[in-house]
Amino acid sequence: DAGITQSPRHKVTETGTPVTLRCHQTENHRYMYWYRQDPGHGLRLIHYSYGVKDTDKGEVSDGYSVSRSKTEDFLLTLESATSSQTSVYFCAISGAGTSGRGSYNEQFFGPGTRLTVL
Amino acid sequence: AQSVSQHNHHVILSEAASLELGCNYSYGGTVNLFWYVQYPGQHLQLLLKYFSGDPLVKGIKGFEAEFIKSKFSFNLRKPSVQWSDTAEYFCAVIPGTYKYIFGTGTRLKVLA
Repeated sequence: DAGITQSPRHKVTETGTPVTLRCHQTENHRYMYWYRQDPGHGLRLIHYSYGVKDTDKGEVSDGYSVSRSKTEDFLLTLESATSSQTSVYFCAISGAGTSGRGSYNEQFFGPGTRLTVL
Repeated sequence: AQSVSQHNHHVILSEAASLELGCNYSYGGTVNLFWYVQYPGQHLQLLLKYFSGDPLVKGIKGFEAEFIKSKFSFNLRKPSVQWSDTAEYFCAVIPGTYKYIFGTGTRLKVLA
């Protein structure tokens, strides 16, 4: 366990509403990632961060935005949720943490958030 | 474009059978390679990884993988599966940077 939590763990929302998912880590890892997992697609990278206020797009970033104002928190926002964004969202971290565990090229995953958009 | 292919989408085995899951990637440079496992309802957990050195890598729970550079492959093996190995298995590659590219996953069902 790399000290990663996600909130909420489950959410049901309606099309057109904004949604924010939170990823929180306790070990000061530099890199943070948001993925979505869908059957037949594996995990696809939405956005990632390589430091506070430093973020970049992944392969499926349309309709999503992120923010990282503190090392420990990485927020994923769906400005106007659509049914195609129904998915399981995983946060991941990499980089050496304060525990001394980890490296930049090995990712640890959070427990996931199941999002349903009606 | 860089990609990772997992050829078997669904595998059904009986307990004690041997397992081999295929993984091929498309990238000509130095790569870091991983296998992750996801048990039902859980998050991904690292099974094993290859960065350099001995191409035969041993991981947790009796799993191993072999990196064959000439074939761009990193196949996962286990000599004798157990019912508790029922899960989804993902191959991942870092092609030169710290960003992963995942395969689409293989669902393994082990019959007791």
